[in-house]
Amino acid sequence: DQQVKQNSPSLSVQEGRISILNCDYTNSMFDYFLWYKKYPAEGPTFLISISSIKDKNEDGRFTVFLNKSAKHLSLHIVPSQPGDSAVYFCAASPGAYSGAGSYQLTFGKGTKLSVIP
Amino acid sequence: KAGVTQTPRYLIKTRGQQVTLSCSPISGHRSVSWYQQTPGQGLQFLFEYFSETQRNKGNFPGRFSGRQFSNSRSEMNVSTLELGDSALYLCASSQTDQNSPLHFGNGTRLTVT
Repeated sequence: DQQVKQNSPSLSVQEGRISILNCDYTNSMFDYFLWYKKYPAEGPTFLISISSIKDKNEDGRFTVFLNKSAKHLSLHIVPSQPGDSAVYFCAASPGAYSGAGSYQLTFGKGTKLSVIP
Repeated sequence: KAGVTQTPRYLIKTRGQQVTLSCSPISGHRSVSWYQQTPGQGLQFLFEYFSETQRNKGNFPGRFSGRQFSNSRSEMNVSTLELGDSALYLCASSQTDQNSPLHFGNGTRLTVT
């Protein structure tokens, strides 16, 4: 049972336009959410995070929106650049060190973003 | 600050053998986690260590084990390798602050033949 779902395996966007990547989750215990970018042959690189007490977090060209009632989050990249072409993973956690005090991320299967020059 | 370092980058082993992978976390990070990435299953949690103690383990067989040393460096071991163990193994570290992100190394690509 996938607790974090990224329903679009791929997305193509023109350079300069907005890229919107979506993620849905089912576990109500999740309260910390992250986005990672991954290039081939490299580990995931942390992009941006949001905790459940917020509904929006911005960092430069990247903005994450959280809709707790819909159990949905999205990553907006504006403007999109060719260097943004990568696989993007959404991840969720029941909060660092919650419960037994262990930190465990549950990942979606990723969306491959292609930014066309 | 240096990032998370994993060695070796690539490894080829034969079925039935065992393998040990190494990870050095970011300086000052005391939590180290391991994840397996495969094309079919995506990124899956293996285990997490803090202060030399395993705090949580994912849904993997007992052939997968790990440990953490007093300097926070970690190793993971896979015994009796199977073809399905071929994957990218990623190590990540994090600070002990609440809601701090995991920072990943570039992984060890294990191929079992």
